[in-house]
Amino acid sequence: SQTIHQWPATLVQPVGSPLSLECTVEGTSNPNLYWYRQAAGRGLQLLFYSVGIGQISSEVPQNLSASRPQDRQFILSSKKLLLSDSGFYLCAWRMTGMSEAFFGQGTRLTVV
Amino acid sequence: SQQGEEDPQALSIQEGENATMNCSYKTSINNLQWYRQNSGRGLVHLILIRSNEREKHSGRLRVTLDTSKKSSSLLITASRAADTASYFCATDGSGGSNYKLTFGKGTLLTVNP
Repeated sequence: SQTIHQWPATLVQPVGSPLSLECTVEGTSNPNLYWYRQAAGRGLQLLFYSVGIGQISSEVPQNLSASRPQDRQFILSSKKLLLSDSGFYLCAWRMTGMSEAFFGQGTRLTVV
Repeated sequence: SQQGEEDPQALSIQEGENATMNCSYKTSINNLQWYRQNSGRGLVHLILIRSNEREKHSGRLRVTLDTSKKSSSLLITASRAADTASYFCATDGSGGSNYKLTFGKGTLLTVNP
């Protein structure tokens, strides 16, 4: 069966520090991968999605970047965090041609 | 940008009552999905309705879709305290943007025992 792993669960980082959040999927090949951010009490904002290795689509210009170095690995990064980068980050995957998405448990990032 | 907009933003009901949440979207879609999120957790898929369908049922869930009005509703019948969660609609774009999956702002449902 397919599983998605996202870590860490919580993270407190100072302003100006770098960020690396990792998401991996097991049990499937060539998934579509997604990064979302959710502000407190708000909806999900699509940040990046990827349909294949090295293929990244950015939805919102901001202080973040994403990479997909391997088929089932999706990384969210920042060189210098801002206070506004705080939030709940969710990784998700789904297969091309199938609409149901499967989510990781999320990373709560607090920038101080 | 967010495609869907749910209303109400928050809904509080008593156990046993029905809960209805609405979603409006802006562009053409292939299908519309509803997800549930318990506080501080990832989202879980509930039900999908395709653009050529008008109504779909799954257990205590009933979803309708009106593509002419670009709107959908999620009805949870005979609600339980365990239904307390946030509910989101999500849409696939059509044509070249069908890889994107965008969510609305959600409805926070509280079911009081």
